[in-house]
Amino acid sequence: GAGVSQSPSNKVTEKGKDVELRCDPISGHTALYWYRQSLGQGLEFLIYFQGNSAPDKSGLPSDRFSAERTGGSVSTLTIQRTQQEDSAVYLCASSPDGRGGYEQYFGPGTRLTVT
Amino acid sequence: TQLLEQSPQFLSIQEGENLTVYCNSSSVFSSLQWYRQEPGEGPVLLVTVVTGGEVKKLKRLTFQFGDARKDSSLHITAAQPGDTGLYLCAGERETSGSRLTFGEGTQLTVNP
Repeated sequence: GAGVSQSPSNKVTEKGKDVELRCDPISGHTALYWYRQSLGQGLEFLIYFQGNSAPDKSGLPSDRFSAERTGGSVSTLTIQRTQQEDSAVYLCASSPDGRGGYEQYFGPGTRLTVT
Repeated sequence: TQLLEQSPQFLSIQEGENLTVYCNSSSVFSSLQWYRQEPGEGPVLLVTVVTGGEVKKLKRLTFQFGDARKDSSLHITAAQPGDTGLYLCAGERETSGSRLTFGEGTQLTVNP
């Protein structure tokens, strides 16, 4: 079946511009996660959605970052007034259940470059 | 300060050699997962360990969870070029729900 998809695969933007990154989770998965991976680094948690519950935004690095999930499916991560330090690969993952112990299935990521 | 310390960061070995990657923390985890990531792709789950002292084997890969559930290791026997990739450990803490805390990763290169 279809896995997690993300678009665009690559995005180059100028400093100060806003960007939107999209994630299509696996159908039926109630949990959705956003992570950021800088070059040579592990993944950094950003935000987590579980069903209709309020999202866990505790990993967002600044108020320039926001995310929403519409209809319990597609999610959009928005970065306003991008900075060069925002350059990274942004990974989305979904899971059948938001409780611990369930596998997270990752998308291929969006590589963001801020010039 | 990295919550999960992974070592070594880089490892380059010859085909047929054995290797061990370590993942250490001062925090207790309810479960620990190992992922493998290839360039341009997202991480793919290899194994989840949940019980202190647990050992799981996946062909030539052996995973161990420490008795105190603070550390884990991945041992690969007779490495092959196809094992090349970024290996990531990730832990779930009871206080953090299902969000994962990742180590910095070990970039493994197996030369033919």
